[in-house]
Amino acid sequence: SQQGEEDPQALSIQEGENATMNCSYKTSINNLQWYRQNSGRGLVHLILIRSNEREKHSGRLRVTLDTSKKSSSLLITASRAADTASYFCATSPDTGGFKTIFGAGTRLFVKA
Amino acid sequence: NAGVTQTPKFQVLKTGQSMTLQCAQDMNHNSMYWYRQDPGMGLRLIYYSASEGTTDKGEVPNGYNVSRLNKREFSLRLESAAPSQTSVYFCASSEQPGTGGGYTFGSGTRLTVV
Repeated sequence: SQQGEEDPQALSIQEGENATMNCSYKTSINNLQWYRQNSGRGLVHLILIRSNEREKHSGRLRVTLDTSKKSSSLLITASRAADTASYFCATSPDTGGFKTIFGAGTRLFVKA
Repeated sequence: NAGVTQTPKFQVLKTGQSMTLQCAQDMNHNSMYWYRQDPGMGLRLIYYSASEGTTDKGEVPNGYNVSRLNKREFSLRLESAAPSQTSVYFCASSEQPGTGGGYTFGSGTRLTVV
């Protein structure tokens, strides 16, 4: 089964509102990454947070990581129609190696 | 533009036909990956190459083979295509996991097997 599970599966908000997506995982990780995918395109890396970090910011993005709960959240503030996309979390295991595992994604729709 | 280039972008195959998906990166990354994306299932790792000269199986390797031709190129081959291999295939590269850069993805190959 997938390591990362995003919640909700789909989210619809108005432009200007904040969007929060959550990711839960099952085993210990080295880092957790968030990606965006626009329809019909490849994934674009947004932000990486390491297991010893609790919060990270990048522009309008804020990511938190709670390793005790094995969960992460992605907050997009002041959303725009251009933020409409699918968002995926991906986890890299702390055992090393290269098998980063992706969740099924959250589909975000921002209405103008 | 720097990045990961995949060819072809679209392909229709008949059951039993073979084909090779090509991938090249120009970022001097050590590691390269092939994923498939199916509706509602996220991305699943098919094969990866940690560095030039090495390849390893991922989560769903059956029915596929790979070749790390050199540091830039990593190809995926379907020897005898099956309808279950209908999917969108993504190639990605990374310097190494955990270095802060994440993965860079190509734009994908949409494959239909009839």
